[in-house]
Amino acid sequence: SQKIEQNSEALNIQEGKTATLTCNYTNYSPAYLQWYRQDPGRGPVFLLLIRENEKEKRKERLKVTFDTTLKQSLFHITASQPADSATYLCARTGAGSYQLTFGKGTKLSVIP
Amino acid sequence: GAVVSQHPSWVICKSGTSVKIECRSLDFQATTMFWYRQFPKQSLMLMATSNEGSKATYEQGVEKDKFLINHASLTLSTLTVTSAHPEDSSFYICSAPWYDEAGQGEQYFGPGTRLTVT
Repeated sequence: SQKIEQNSEALNIQEGKTATLTCNYTNYSPAYLQWYRQDPGRGPVFLLLIRENEKEKRKERLKVTFDTTLKQSLFHITASQPADSATYLCARTGAGSYQLTFGKGTKLSVIP
Repeated sequence: GAVVSQHPSWVICKSGTSVKIECRSLDFQATTMFWYRQFPKQSLMLMATSNEGSKATYEQGVEKDKFLINHASLTLSTLTVTSAHPEDSSFYICSAPWYDEAGQGEQYFGPGTRLTVT
């Protein structure tokens, strides 16, 4: 089965620093990798999507990369703020499929 | 962006009763919706795919007779937990995909429904 692994359960960083979260996948490359933010007691909110043939995608302070050799996606938040504190979920989809397979998430805490 | 709503946001029910959860796409049509369940400190687990006008597709291990799904219109899917038991207590979340120009895209999630079965 296709798996998504987010090995860090939690990450604490100082305000203003860049947070880097890691997502690894097994077996064949997904068509898409997506990143979501989830706050406690709320549904996930879409942040970024990157396609298999894309190396990097940016949106404001967010950047995501996709390395098919390493089977890995990195999610960066630059100039982090306490308001960025949340759980960040990585998810994969295959070609022609809408179904998402989620990782367990990484809980980010940005310390003032 | 697209908005998905859920109702109720939380519900407490007695063991043996049934509970219905509604999921609506407010500003777009969704022929497909997804239902997830999330236990504390766990990730989202897909339960079933809801298809407008046809039967839902359930993931392995999910009892279709216990979790009834009805997708009667392009903007509404419902999940009914029948004969609920305490182990059904969880956070239930629905989502609908939003298609980009390539025909694939992100999903928009509802705010979730916290079900507690006593």
